[in-house]
Amino acid sequence: AQSVTQLDSQVPVFEEAPVELRCNYSSSVSVYLFWYVQYPNQGLQLLLKYLSGSTLVKGINGFEAEFNKSQTSFHLRKPSVHISDTAEYFCAVSVGAAGNKLTFGGGTRVLVKP
Amino acid sequence: GAGVSQSPSNKVTEKGKDVELRCDPISGHTALYWYRQSLGQGLEFLIYFQGNSAPDKSGLPSDRFSAERTGGSVSTLTIQRTQQEDSAVYLCASSRGRDGAKNIQYFGAGTRLSVL
Repeated sequence: AQSVTQLDSQVPVFEEAPVELRCNYSSSVSVYLFWYVQYPNQGLQLLLKYLSGSTLVKGINGFEAEFNKSQTSFHLRKPSVHISDTAEYFCAVSVGAAGNKLTFGGGTRVLVKP
Repeated sequence: GAGVSQSPSNKVTEKGKDVELRCDPISGHTALYWYRQSLGQGLEFLIYFQGNSAPDKSGLPSDRFSAERTGGSVSTLTIQRTQQEDSAVYLCASSRGRDGAKNIQYFGAGTRLSVL
């Protein structure tokens, strides 16, 4: 079975500073990787995904993530955050052979301070 | 709008009562998923429907939970004899195509269930 670990439950960051959210996964087979964002009282919105190909993927709102197979990581970064980036961020994996469900990490709450 | 629609947005019920949560997926999406988001357990998969195939029920926590999908579209998640630990946000998602592992799942805003 696969699992996802988000190492930081909360990340405070000042506006216009960079942020990195860490995600590690474990799986015995190839995975597809996703980052979702959840704003207060809303559903999940896809930020970006890694399916295959280039290990550096770019998403919406200036976010990017890098897939590192040897380290089984998929860290999310943004070079300069805005107040509006305050939200909870979830890393998730799906495994083709195991079906199509998403397995989520515990989430990282980002609080952007002025 | 053309997104995933869930109703009600909030539901308060008494312990022991049955509840039904509804999900209307994006038109044309053949796959539908239910997840539960709770403080103690995070985001958990509950059940997955793909077209007319038998659903993957492997995430349902107990036999009090059931779901059906009528006509390959709208789905209803039913919780019988609700318990306080059922309090959570229930999220529905849909995706297109059969290769669901790749296809993006689009989420609704969820139903917040509170069991008193």
